[in-house]
Amino acid sequence: QVQLQESGPGLVKPSETLSLTCAVSGYSISSGYYWGWIRQPPGKGLEWIGSIYHSGSTYYNPSLKSRVTISVDTSKNQFSLKLSSVTAADTAVYYCARLESGTYFDYWGQGTLVTVSS
Amino acid sequence: QLVLTQSPSASASLGASVKLTCTLSSGHSSYAIAWHQQQPEKGPRYLMKLNSDGSHSKGDGIPDRFSGSSSGAERYLTISSLQSEDEADYYCQTWGTGIQVFGTGTKVTVL
Repeated sequence: QVQLQESGPGLVKPSETLSLTCAVSGYSISSGYYWGWIRQPPGKGLEWIGSIYHSGSTYYNPSLKSRVTISVDTSKNQFSLKLSSVTAADTAVYYCARLESGTYFDYWGQGTLVTVSS
Repeated sequence: QLVLTQSPSASASLGASVKLTCTLSSGHSSYAIAWHQQQPEKGPRYLMKLNSDGSHSKGDGIPDRFSGSSSGAERYLTISSLQSEDEADYYCQTWGTGIQVFGTGTKVTVL
């Protein structure tokens, strides 16, 4: 059974960089698949942030592209998200998930709340 | 532009059926989608992939009372024999070259 677990600081100051990691168990990232990050502001819907292939190739939401970096560490079986120059609008629950052949998200993490505040 | 449109809310009585709609934007009527369920205070859960011809493949452990169908640019999720635990938000999701898109979600209330 594939399991994903997000981790990282729950509080980030405005203008700083948000950093999260997604640890994957039950499947080796180096074996394939795309992996992605999605966020959900309080009381709102889901927003795709970006995705990465196990080889390291990435694609990002155009609305966030200038501030987002997603990377993969196959030795640790995890992938990471960095979002720079954060504002209160970036306050959200952040989810990591696996993409089936780059199409739909078939396994999700439980999510982690990140609050941007001074 | 690839966009998914969902009604904000739907409701039905316990034991009844409810049919949710996800509409693909113009020019994208052949696209497949996926349905996801998000129960209160939980992360999303993949329900099924739904193709334009109505064929669908469900995720592990998804009950038979969840089914999908398609007509033109519309993709449907039908929940039969509604249970209290089906009260949740339901999101459709699709994909294109280098992009993932979510619908705005439909909140299902079990009366």
